[in-house]
Amino acid sequence: SQQGEEDPQALSIQEGENATMNCSYKTSINNLQWYRQNSGRGLVHLILIRSNEREKHSGRLRVTLDTSKKSSSLLITASRAADTASYFCATDATDYKLSFGAGTTVTVRA
Amino acid sequence: DADVTQTPRNRITKTGKRIMLECSQTKGHDRMYWYRQDPGLGLRLIYYSFDVKDINKGEISDGYSVSRQAQAKFSLSLESAIPNQTALYFCATSSSYSNQPQHFGDGTRLSIL
Repeated sequence: SQQGEEDPQALSIQEGENATMNCSYKTSINNLQWYRQNSGRGLVHLILIRSNEREKHSGRLRVTLDTSKKSSSLLITASRAADTASYFCATDATDYKLSFGAGTTVTVRA
Repeated sequence: DADVTQTPRNRITKTGKRIMLECSQTKGHDRMYWYRQDPGLGLRLIYYSFDVKDINKGEISDGYSVSRQAQAKFSLSLESAIPNQTALYFCATSSSYSNQPQHFGDGTRLSIL
C-alpha cells in the first residue's frame, strides 16, 4: 500500500513562478524524501528531510516537514522549463524500505 | 557511465514467456531493490536485498523472483509473464547507513502481449 499521497496530481505554471506540492502520509517515519522523474528516465533524489527536522533547503528547493500533521511540502522557486517532471515523495518508516506516492506532474510553460 | 545500469531498456514479449531483467551497479552499495511503476500508482516494491545472501519480498512479489548473484548484480525474473505485468521496472541501490537516499536506474519498459 502507498504511504505517501501527493497533492495536486498535476500542476501547470509559468516559467519564473513558484511551484508547491504537498505530501501526506499515514505512519511514523524516519525520514521523508523527494524525487524527480523526467519523462522516460529513472528517479533522481532531490532532498531528504529527517523526522527531527522541520525545514531543509537545496538550491531552489525548499522542503518542510510537519510530523504532527504527517505532511510535507516541496517548493520549487523561480521555476524553469527544465523543472518539468513528475515529483514523488517517499517515506522511510522502519527498515529502509521506501513507500512512494503517486506523484505530482509539473509542467512549466515558457 | 551510469552508476545503476538496467538491461534491457525495452522489451516486448508474449504471455507465458520467461523474462529476466538485469541490474548492475558500480556504487558499491549493499542494498538493492526492484520496483514496478504503473500509471497513477507510483512505485511499488517487488523485492529487496540487503546483502548477497539476503532476499526479501516486497508488497507485490507474486509472479516474480529475484537473484542476487553478487554485491553488484540483482536480477528480476518473471517465470511466466502475463499481460498485467506490463509496466516500467526500476532497480535501485542504497547504502546500508541510515537516512540515505536510493539511486535508480533508468528503467526497463516491459510490454507483455
